[in-house]
Amino acid sequence: DTGVSQNPRHKITKRGQNVTFRCDPISEHNRLYWYRQTLGQGPEFLTYFQNEAQLEKSRLLSDRFSAERPKGSFSTLEIQRTEQGDSAMYLCASSWAGNYEQYFGPGTRLTVT
Amino acid sequence: GENVEQHPSTLSVQEGDSAVIKCTYSDSASNYFPWYKQELGKGPQLIIDIRSNVGEKKDQRIAVTLNKTAKHFSLHITETQPEDSAVYFCAASSVMDTGRRALTFGSGTRLQVQP
Repeated sequence: DTGVSQNPRHKITKRGQNVTFRCDPISEHNRLYWYRQTLGQGPEFLTYFQNEAQLEKSRLLSDRFSAERPKGSFSTLEIQRTEQGDSAMYLCASSWAGNYEQYFGPGTRLTVT
Repeated sequence: GENVEQHPSTLSVQEGDSAVIKCTYSDSASNYFPWYKQELGKGPQLIIDIRSNVGEKKDQRIAVTLNKTAKHFSLHITETQPEDSAVYFCAASSVMDTGRRALTFGSGTRLQVQP
């Protein structure tokens, strides 16, 4: 069991640039979630996939954010025209559709300068 | 939507003492309540969870209790050890506008266990 992995672990970018993060879930899990966590706060739900279908999107997910899971395995989260307010830890989690338990990866820390 | 409140925000205990963290939730339809431990620079780690049809669950030194009527649940850690020092988050699985569920997290409790 290799767990959920995320890359890169850290990303520093200038305001206005585009960034893309990758998440590889636990191999047998068919649900994949993205969360955002700012300093001193709990994770906030952004979106989730069941297999390749994006089933839910939070109001937090503005038009500059897009997520994909093309083959139902890994997922990417892209942020276009980054803003300083996008600076946060972006967490990925995975689970079985029939189970409630979600397992998190180590996160990607984004700093927008 | 769901609102989860967690307290205290910080908790300092002596090694060997017990620690209790409390959370309240607002959505009576919430039916699953996990607790996560997050160490510096790492993602949240699921440590224990409870479903709404159960009042208490225990796993070695940690236990969780749920009071559905009062809409609150608590994490209890006994015989604390320095390695228990971390930030702990409670969460509730609530129903969104679409009818699907998502986890709503509390704001976290920083637990420090003094050796």
